Amino acid sequence: GDSVTQKQGQVTLSEDDFLFINCTYSTTTYPTLFWYVQYPGQGPQLLLKVTTANNKGISRGFEATYDKGTTSFHLQKASVQESDSAVYFCALVEGNMGYKLTFGTGTSLLVDP
Amino acid sequence: EAAVTQSPRNKVTVTGGNVTLSCRQTNSHNYMYWYRQDTGHGLRLIHYSYGAGNLQIGDVPDGYKATRTTQEDFFLLLELASPSQTSLYFCASSGRDRPNERLFFGHGTKLSVL
Repeated sequence: GDSVTQKQGQVTLSEDDFLFINCTYSTTTYPTLFWYVQYPGQGPQLLLKVTTANNKGISRGFEATYDKGTTSFHLQKASVQESDSAVYFCALVEGNMGYKLTFGTGTSLLVDP
Repeated sequence: EAAVTQSPRNKVTVTGGNVTLSCRQTNSHNYMYWYRQDTGHGLRLIHYSYGAGNLQIGDVPDGYKATRTTQEDFFLLLELASPSQTSLYFCASSGRDRPNERLFFGHGTKLSVL
């Protein structure tokens, strides 16, 4: 079945550092890929979405590029702020009209002021 | 902004107890989901529904029942709660035409089974 792998359980940075969160996926088709962010005490919320048509998603200074060759979907941000401290989940849905998301295990980001 | 409301926010029960978690969405969405979140596992799908009276089995359904009574309301039932069901539970909803476009999550219910 579909799977999503996030190897980094926790990342600690200082403000203005560069952020890179690794995500790789395995599926039998070309999926639609998502990054969700979960702030403390809240449910996850969509950060960005990428399909096979557009290959790159950008939102709130975050960027993710869909690389079919390496089956990766890494999340990047040039300069993090303390307010970016949260848990970040990579997720996929098979095809373009699927309805069941498969989530990764999440990466907890702590940004020191 | 789409709204998903879960109740209760916190629940403590004993092993063998009976628990019902409630979820209401006012988004006019067709799809509703129940997930559990555990450290090291991320979010895992328990059950989901695409309309009133419909129920689909997710990836970790054992020990859980669910019922969708209306388009707005989706309930998760634990009839014989076990400590392994101690977790943070999230309800979510998404639209009909492009159900994967975006999931809207509630704030979660923290369940402790002693």
